[in-house]
Amino acid sequence: EAGVAQSPRYKIIEKRQSVAFWCNPISGHATLYWYQQILGQGPKLLIQFQNNGVVDDSQLPKDRFSAERLKGVDSTLKIQPAKLEDSAVYLCASSPGQPSSGNTIYFGEGSWLTVV
Amino acid sequence: GNSVTQMEGPVTLSEEAFLTINCTYTATGYPSLFWYVQYPGEGLQLLLKATKADDKGSNKGFEATYRKETTSFHLEKGSVQVSDSAVYFCALTLNAGGTSYGKLTFGQGTILTVHP
Repeated sequence: EAGVAQSPRYKIIEKRQSVAFWCNPISGHATLYWYQQILGQGPKLLIQFQNNGVVDDSQLPKDRFSAERLKGVDSTLKIQPAKLEDSAVYLCASSPGQPSSGNTIYFGEGSWLTVV
Repeated sequence: GNSVTQMEGPVTLSEEAFLTINCTYTATGYPSLFWYVQYPGEGLQLLLKATKADDKGSNKGFEATYRKETTSFHLEKGSVQVSDSAVYFCALTLNAGGTSYGKLTFGQGTILTVHP
């Protein structure tokens, strides 16, 4: 079974530029998550989708971050304009069906962003 | 709010030593508890989980017991190997009825280095 696919793996951009990350979840997984992991910290949820609807985006900096999952399958996370503090690993994850007790969440390898 | 606290790291051990990484949590509701591992250059992988009090999760020689009375989920392994060197994250999700249902809340991570 193919895992969660993410691209690009690495990206270096200058501040105030824009960047987009793509994620393809495990086939059939209805729930998709984007996490931000800053060096030395645990991942923090940015946004959670159930099919193509947003369940939780309370920690998404909406003035510069946006995400979509138009067809309920793959998803794109965009940052515009980027700031130095956005340097982090952006992790996409998915889980099957409705989030439920103990449901396993599967992570991709992450997209490493450096803003200079 | 919900939170996870892990012991301060990094942890450095010799091969075949006993490992304990402490994890305590605060949650409104009844969480499921997880340990994730992140090997160098790789994404997060689920190591083990426990979904209710007194459950013991185990995998690859690692184990952790869900202790509701002490709100803890400490990770243990009797004899570590060099290949166990990684970053270990404790995390929780809330079970039915919680508003962050299905969302993982992570601790800050503990770096483990095992020397031959």
